[in-house]
Amino acid sequence: GAVVSQHPSWVICKSGTSVKIECRSLDFQATTMFWYRQFPKQSLMLMATSNEGSKATYEQGVEKDKFLINHASLTLSTLTVTSAHPEDSSFYICSARDSGAKAYNEQFFGPGTRLTVL
Amino acid sequence: DAKTTQPPSMDCAEGRAANLPCNHSTISGNEYVYWYRQIHSQGPQYIIHGLKNNETNEMASLIITEDRKSSTLILPHATLRDTAVYYCIVRVAQGGKLIFGQGTELSVKP
Repeated sequence: GAVVSQHPSWVICKSGTSVKIECRSLDFQATTMFWYRQFPKQSLMLMATSNEGSKATYEQGVEKDKFLINHASLTLSTLTVTSAHPEDSSFYICSARDSGAKAYNEQFFGPGTRLTVL
Repeated sequence: DAKTTQPPSMDCAEGRAANLPCNHSTISGNEYVYWYRQIHSQGPQYIIHGLKNNETNEMASLIITEDRKSSTLILPHATLRDTAVYYCIVRVAQGGKLIFGQGTELSVKP
């Protein structure tokens, strides 16, 4: 199956700093990628939809100036958590939609990035 | 996208079939039923999907009721590695977002 990678797999940072998380589709092109956040013992919450070459679409309640998304190529989307605070500590997961695959199961997930803000 | 209802947790004995139910009574005619699972601290993994016919692949079987208001995911011979949270999601085939509910935490026990 198609592979999606995330980097880093975990990161610890100080409060007030910014953290960038990369999401890459390794063997397919993805015009659309999605970013999710998951708190302990909770389900995945969709944060935003990232479209290559255009602005991301954010879900209601997600601060676009706080979570900057860039999708500059067909294989890479980045999520930058700006001025991170302890409440931003979470498991961030991306998924990528294979532009060339069958429509039905075309979305593949990365392994996630664990962010801890001290 | 229609909402789904799943039991919060289930247990299953290793080697036995695991039957995970999902209620999606408000499903629309163009919405598919998808199943994903998430093993602890990993990204979700696609399992199977279906529209109205029963489906089977190497991982599982999906049984959808005739009125499409509910479905059951069947893991025919559960192993300890099948311990995970299983999510039932309904969405349109193309362009729809995957919106995750609370899922069912399946514990497979020796």
